[in-house]
Amino acid sequence: EVQLVESGGDLVQPGGSLKLSCAASGFTFDSYGMKWVRQAPGKGLEYVSAISKNGDTTFHANSVRGRFTISRDNSKNMLFLQMGSLRPDDMGVYYCATEGFDFWGPGTMVTVSS
Amino acid sequence: QSALTQPPSASGSPGQPVTISCSGTSSDVGAYTYVSWYQQHPGKAPKLMIYEVNKRPSGVPDRFSGSKSGNTASLTVSGLQAEDEADYYCSSYAGSNNYVFGTGTKVTVL
Repeated sequence: EVQLVESGGDLVQPGGSLKLSCAASGFTFDSYGMKWVRQAPGKGLEYVSAISKNGDTTFHANSVRGRFTISRDNSKNMLFLQMGSLRPDDMGVYYCATEGFDFWGPGTMVTVSS
Repeated sequence: QSALTQPPSASGSPGQPVTISCSGTSSDVGAYTYVSWYQQHPGKAPKLMIYEVNKRPSGVPDRFSGSKSGNTASLTVSGLQAEDEADYYCSSYAGSNNYVFGTGTKVTVL
């Protein structure tokens, strides 16, 4: 059974940093690209970042480019999102998802507030 | 990249059909067959319901179907059931490893 579990969400001040993690199990992690999608409270889904199966290709949406970095550790079946220069509009639930958005984790909440 | 446009709400009685539209551009929906639909119940993660315009993942009831014409994709639930009440989102590949999601539609079962 495919399982994705995010962690690392927290309350952080504007301008601060946070690192999200996603633990993957139940599939051959290093055979698939992975993605991060976020959802602001009461709002729709927003595509944030993506990484190829071996980590050599990444993508970041314009809204986070230069501030967020996606990475992975295939030896530990882990996906990461390093978030910096956080702004109030970065607040929301962050989901990790498999390459084709087939499977999603339950999400982790990021709150940006002073 | 602008979000794909969906109607804010849709509704139907049990057993009746409901169709949700997803309007994009020639750079996303109109350019690729990588259109997907997701169901999201309150407080839960999205669930993939349709991929590549009209394909259903294993376990998704066959009352869910997808189609596309030009720059607009559609999701149809042929016979609404109480458990279908949820938010629905479309997404499309937009080139260069980029994807765009729809604005979301709240489906109510009357």
